[in-house]
Amino acid sequence: GENVEQHPSTLSVQEGDSAVIKCTYSDSASNYFPWYKQELGKRPQLIIDIRSNVGEKKDQRIAVTLNKTAKHFSLHITETQPEDSAVYFCAGGAQKLVFGQGTRLTINP
Amino acid sequence: DARVTQTPRHKVTEMGQEVTMRCQPILGHNTVFWYRQTMMQGLELLAYFRNRAPLDDSGMPKDRFSAEMPDATLATLKIQPSEPRDSAVYFCASGWGTGSYEQYFGPGTRLTVT
Repeated sequence: GENVEQHPSTLSVQEGDSAVIKCTYSDSASNYFPWYKQELGKRPQLIIDIRSNVGEKKDQRIAVTLNKTAKHFSLHITETQPEDSAVYFCAGGAQKLVFGQGTRLTINP
Repeated sequence: DARVTQTPRHKVTEMGQEVTMRCQPILGHNTVFWYRQTMMQGLELLAYFRNRAPLDDSGMPKDRFSAEMPDATLATLKIQPSEPRDSAVYFCASGWGTGSYEQYFGPGTRLTVT
């Protein structure tokens, strides 16, 4: 079955700098890769996703890239703000999703 | 702004008791997922339904867990008997489609089994 690995587990950046979170997956049949943001005590919220027929997708300060050959995808957050502090999860799959272990992102003012 | 709803939001129970969690998917969504979140295991898929039919429950301990979808507006997850290791946050998510697509999460049920 699918296995999704996520790195790093914690990330601390200065406000205004960029943050990058990386994930790898194992199942070449996976074709959908969403990213979720989860604040403490809240539900995971979908922030961006990418499908396997696309290499890159951008939404304001957030972008995701996908390398199907290498089976890895990344989340890029530019011009980070304090409200970006949260746990971020990547996921991959086809009919069902397997989630990475999460990255706790802290934005230092 | 349509959202997935879950009840109860918090549940404290003693070991051996039955626990039932409920989920109302977003109106029109045809797929419902049950996840469990713990610090150690992260987000694990327990089971999912499409058009009310169970498609996969391989992530669920069969001897004590059961999931059903009695109608299109209600999904249930039952634990009987509950054990302390079942303590976790249980999320329901819903989506629409037949392949891979967006999933929207409910607020979760925080279960504590003492």
